[in-house]
Amino acid sequence: EAGVAQSPRYKIIEKRQSVAFWCNPISGHATLYWYQQILGQGPKLLIQFQNNGVVDDSQLPKDRFSAERLKGVDSTLKIQPAKLEDSAVYLCASSSLAGGLYEQFFGPGTRLTVL
Amino acid sequence: AQSVTQLDSQVPVFEEAPVELRCNYSSSVSVYLFWYVQYPNQGLQLLLKYLSGSTLVESINGFEAEFNKSQTSFHLRKPSVHISDTAEYFCAVRRTGNQFYFGTGTSLTVIP
Repeated sequence: EAGVAQSPRYKIIEKRQSVAFWCNPISGHATLYWYQQILGQGPKLLIQFQNNGVVDDSQLPKDRFSAERLKGVDSTLKIQPAKLEDSAVYLCASSSLAGGLYEQFFGPGTRLTVL
Repeated sequence: AQSVTQLDSQVPVFEEAPVELRCNYSSSVSVYLFWYVQYPNQGLQLLLKYLSGSTLVESINGFEAEFNKSQTSFHLRKPSVHISDTAEYFCAVRRTGNQFYFGTGTSLTVIP
């Protein structure tokens, strides 16, 4: 079974530029999460999708961050314009209620550096 | 409100010594608990989980955690650590709505 895929793995941009990240969850997983992990901190949930609907985006800075999961499968997270404090690893995870697994499966992350 | 608290941000321990990484969670009607490990420059991997049943859960690499409802804790332990256990460890709780909350992490450094 393929894991959660993310791209790119690394991205360096200058402040005020735009950037987009892509995530493909494990096949059949209805729930998809985007987290921001700043160096030395735990993952912070940015947005949670259930199929193509948003369950929780309370911590998403909506003035600059946006995310979509149009067909209920893969997802993109965009930052426009980027700020220095957006430098972090952006993690995508997926989960399924089926099979009694309950846990999340994480992708390798995208390390963003904003200069 | 903080759902998960990891009190120790850094834990240095000598090789082959025992270790305990502490995790406390906010009380809830039903909760599932997890420990994830993050090795340097890698993604998060599930270490072990508590869903129901026996309060002591074990991982394949010698770690164990005990769910203590009265103390709302889920501490992670290993009787003898190895150099390869050096990593960041995150405690997480899953609540209704399939939402997960992570602690701030504990950096375990095993000293030769």
